[in-house]
Amino acid sequence: KAGVTQTPRYLIKTRGQQVTLSCSPISGHRSVSWYQQTPGQGLQFLFEYFSETQRNKGNFPGRFSGRQFSNSRSEMNVSTLELGDSALYLCASTPGTLNEQFFGPGTRLTVL
Amino acid sequence: ILNVEQSPQSLHVQEGDSTNFTCSFPSSNFYALHWYRWETAKSPEALFVMTLNGDEKKKGRISATLNTKEGYSYLYIKGSQPEDSATYLCALFYSGTSYGKLTFGQGTILTVHP
Repeated sequence: KAGVTQTPRYLIKTRGQQVTLSCSPISGHRSVSWYQQTPGQGLQFLFEYFSETQRNKGNFPGRFSGRQFSNSRSEMNVSTLELGDSALYLCASTPGTLNEQFFGPGTRLTVL
Repeated sequence: ILNVEQSPQSLHVQEGDSTNFTCSFPSSNFYALHWYRWETAKSPEALFVMTLNGDEKKKGRISATLNTKEGYSYLYIKGSQPEDSATYLCALFYSGTSYGKLTFGQGTILTVHP
């Protein structure tokens, strides 16, 4: 079975721009979670989608949004980028809500 | 805010040494604890999922225990090898905040010297 894939792997943007990141879960996994990893904060939960519905959201500003498609692929969008948004963004899929999560390789976003 | 604390932050050991790390967490509303291993340039990979007080899990040279009443879990590595070098993360699911939300500790960075 193919693992979780994320595109792009690296991205450089400037302040004020917006960005869209993509995540394709393992086939059959309907739950996709997104996390942000920064050096000082560790892994922080952004949101979770299941069957195209956002079921849970972390403490991030409204500039962070996401969606899920009928094939379970998910995208997250960050608008009006700030320097502090520079981070590694990981997505993870799981077959069940409380099961182990399978992580993708991440997208490294740099905001200049 | 749910605080998951891991100690030590980093650890350097020699090949062949046995080592252990601690994950401490608020025990109220506990649902499940996960241990992940995150090697450099790779994705985090699950080691164990633990739900019951007194749970003990083992995978090769790595084992883990769980005490939900006092709010801690230990991860043990017996006879560390250089390939065990990684960041070890514990993460919690809490009832009432589940639906895909793992709360992670900051991790323990393990370096095993040949």
